[in-house]
Amino acid sequence: GQSLEQPSEVTAVEGAIVQINCTYQTSGFYGLSWYQHHDGGAPTFLSYNALDGLEETGRFSSFLSRSDSYGYLLLQELQMKDSASYFCAVRDSNQGGKLIFGQGTELSVKP
Amino acid sequence: KAGVTQTPRYLIKTRGQQVTLSCSPISGHRSVSWYQQTPGQGLQFLFEYFSETQRNKGNFPGRFSGRQFSNSRSEMNVSTLELGDSALYLCASSSGTSGSGDTQYFGPGTRLTVL
Repeated sequence: GQSLEQPSEVTAVEGAIVQINCTYQTSGFYGLSWYQHHDGGAPTFLSYNALDGLEETGRFSSFLSRSDSYGYLLLQELQMKDSASYFCAVRDSNQGGKLIFGQGTELSVKP
Repeated sequence: KAGVTQTPRYLIKTRGQQVTLSCSPISGHRSVSWYQQTPGQGLQFLFEYFSETQRNKGNFPGRFSGRQFSNSRSEMNVSTLELGDSALYLCASSSGTSGSGDTQYFGPGTRLTVL
């Protein structure tokens, strides 16, 4: 079957670092993406990893290990505005390229 | 470039009715995907249309259908509404190039409430 597992919620304080993990089980794999979703708004693309290693974009970094079917999103210098849901997603090459999302991690940033 | 737009933003229907949601993709994008988001279920893939053809389909009953027009605008239809269909319906557009990091650009969604 196809599944992506990520924690349902994470809480951290302003200025801290938080890591949101994602493990996946899909029949095919093109790459791992991360999206941010604020309530009432549109989900927005954060990052994409097709190869093993770390991708850095400002305060956000994303990591992928294909051998472990595992990735994570790292958020540094947390700000209140980072409070949102974060989804990992895999495009399954054996399912016609269908994009499969995890259930989302609700991040709460406290002052 | 204008973003993805969805209409209506909010909708209230009763059981047994049918509903049509609309999505206008980013200009130049040929792929439109639809997702259902409910608490605890995350984003569930409904279907994807590319150049007026359904390219992928999720595991939803036949009451859920969609189509895409020649200008890439897409509609999804849900017939015989059930209480469990209450959800946020998100549409996303992309260039449609498969096998790559084909970034999805999401609209703000349509919040459907079934009473």
